[in-house]
This record gives sequence, structure tokens and C-alpha cells, in this order.
Amino acid sequence: DAGVIQSPRHEVTEMGQEVTLRCKPISGHDYLFWYRQTMMRGLELLIYFNNNVPIDDSGMPEDRFSAKMPNASFSTLKIQPSEPRDSAVYFCASSSRGDGANVLTFGAGSRLTVL
Amino acid sequence: AQRVTQPEKLLSVFKGAPVELKCNYSYSGSPELFWYVQYSRQRLQLLLRHISRESIKGFTADLNKGETSFHLKKPFAQEEDSAMYYCALSGFSGQNFVFGPGTRLSVLP
Repeated sequence: DAGVIQSPRHEVTEMGQEVTLRCKPISGHDYLFWYRQTMMRGLELLIYFNNNVPIDDSGMPEDRFSAKMPNASFSTLKIQPSEPRDSAVYFCASSSRGDGANVLTFGAGSRLTVL
Repeated sequence: AQRVTQPEKLLSVFKGAPVELKCNYSYSGSPELFWYVQYSRQRLQLLLRHISRESIKGFTADLNKGETSFHLKKPFAQEEDSAMYYCALSGFSGQNFVFGPGTRLSVLP
């Protein structure tokens, strides 16, 4: 397995533009997480899914952020409209609770810069 | 409520010195504890988990339920250990993963 795959790796956009980040979890994993990492706030959980269903989105900053998981192999995190304070590295991670695995595997991250 | 604290933002030690990264947690139940490491500009990766009781890259961590701690230790630090270290907690019954704020370890030559 190629691991958790995120795209784009880098995104530079202007304030007000829509940003879509994509994630392909490891095949067979039934949990998917979106985290945001900044120097000031460290690693923050935004939302997580179980079997494609959002379980906890209390970490989503505001209505400008939305996340979907239309199927077991794809998820998106959308920011509309984007603001400079959204600049961060966004990590997707997946895990499986089967067979006592329960290990979170991270993608390489999407580095977002909003000008 | 689930919470993970790491009191040190930055820890600097000299090469060959012992290192201990502190982690304390609060959880109403029996959690699973992890240490993740992030080398410069790389993805976070699992270093070790308490149920495995392994030593990875010379690091060990013991879960102390009485003190609700899961400190990470290494007897002799190496320069390549310089990285960001995150302590994390997960519930066995399907709760999410909660990460601490992280400690940046700097091993000086």
C-alpha cells in the first residue's frame, strides 16, 4: 500500500479563493482524520470519520470549513472563502480498529499558504 | 474529558546525554498511549505505543496509570533524534486520537 496520499502537497492562493484538499486513506482503514498544524497551535483535530460518516466535527473552525467523505477511498477538506489565518499544514490520517491495530498513519500533508 | 499535556515546548540536550520527554494525560477509562515523531518537514510517524512494550531507536516509554503519565526516555541521545515529539491518546472503544502540544527535542553536538 502506498500509504495515505494527500494532494496537493503545496497550495498558494489568494484570500477569498476556494481551497480543496484531498486525501486517499489506506485501503481497509475505516477511520479518517483531518488535522491542522501551525506553530502557534500545534496539531489540532478538525474532524474525523468512521465508515465515511462524520463522527466529530467540533474542531472545524467555522462555517468556512467543510469536509466530506463520499466513499471509503476519498475525502476532501474545503475552505471557502480562504483567509490568511488558514495558512497551515493540513494532515490527513487513517486508522483501523480491527485486529487491535488502532495505529494512526499520516499522509505527507498539504501546506497551504493564503496571501 | 480527554487531554494530553506535554509541559516542555523545547528540550535541548547534548549528544550522549539521557533524555526524558514528559507526557501526562487525563482520560476516564483505559486509554491507549502513543508517541509520534516528526522529523524536519516530514510526516508524523509512529514511534511506539504502550501496548507493544517495544524499544524503538533506543526509546522506551512506560505507562504509569497511577501518575497518568507516559514519559519517553532514551539513555543516550543522538543528533538524529532531533525532531518534534507528540504524545497521543486514543480510547479503545472507538474515540478519536488526541495529541499533546508537542515537544521539540534538540540534540546538540
